[in-house]
Amino acid sequence: NAGVTQTPKFRVLKTGQSMTLLCAQDMNHEYMYWYRQDPGMGLRLIHYSVGEGTTAKGEVPDGYNVSRLKKQNFLLGLESAAPSQTSVYFCASSPPPDRISYEQYFGPGTRLTVT
Amino acid sequence: LAKTTQPISMDSYEGQEVNITCSHNNIATNDYITWYQQFPSQGPRFIIQGYKTKVTNEVASLFIPADRKSSTLSLPRVSLSDTAVYYCLVGDIEDTGRRALTFGSGTRLQVQP
Repeated sequence: NAGVTQTPKFRVLKTGQSMTLLCAQDMNHEYMYWYRQDPGMGLRLIHYSVGEGTTAKGEVPDGYNVSRLKKQNFLLGLESAAPSQTSVYFCASSPPPDRISYEQYFGPGTRLTVT
Repeated sequence: LAKTTQPISMDSYEGQEVNITCSHNNIATNDYITWYQQFPSQGPRFIIQGYKTKVTNEVASLFIPADRKSSTLSLPRVSLSDTAVYYCLVGDIEDTGRRALTFGSGTRLQVQP
């Protein structure tokens, strides 16, 4: 049981390049989330998904796209990277929505630098 | 979205009890209050969750007054390894029935020997 895994762990991009961050969970969780954390700041929600085939915008969705083709995977895409997207990206998942709770399980993070 | 307010930082010494308070004036009726701990270069880790009154687990207690507009995380007898950032999380149910989540700014706890 690996929990939540993220690929890659580190990446350096040039402005304008694109990339996809992969999040995988093996806990059969319905909900998945992508956050970004800038230095010294709290986490901000980018996009989230409440089930396979669904996605929704969070607090800071601009410049990102997501897809949830399989229940266990949640992909975060940057079509044209900008230096303002330099951050640490965390993926999380949470149990099925049979109760109003927010216990989330986080991955180890992906450190992205855009030059 | 329910906004939360926490102290930016706190200092303590080993063996002391630490109380961190979070304000959430716009909490919704069905919302739970959740606290997370984050060490440098790691993802946040769930500590405790509650709806009202008091909840206790093996690592912390959570006190929630009747009006639920604030909550206090209590860490008994802290050690150096409790040095971390602590986040208060309160969620909203949007009109569409989906969930939106807001992390607080976090409280940086520094435990001294």
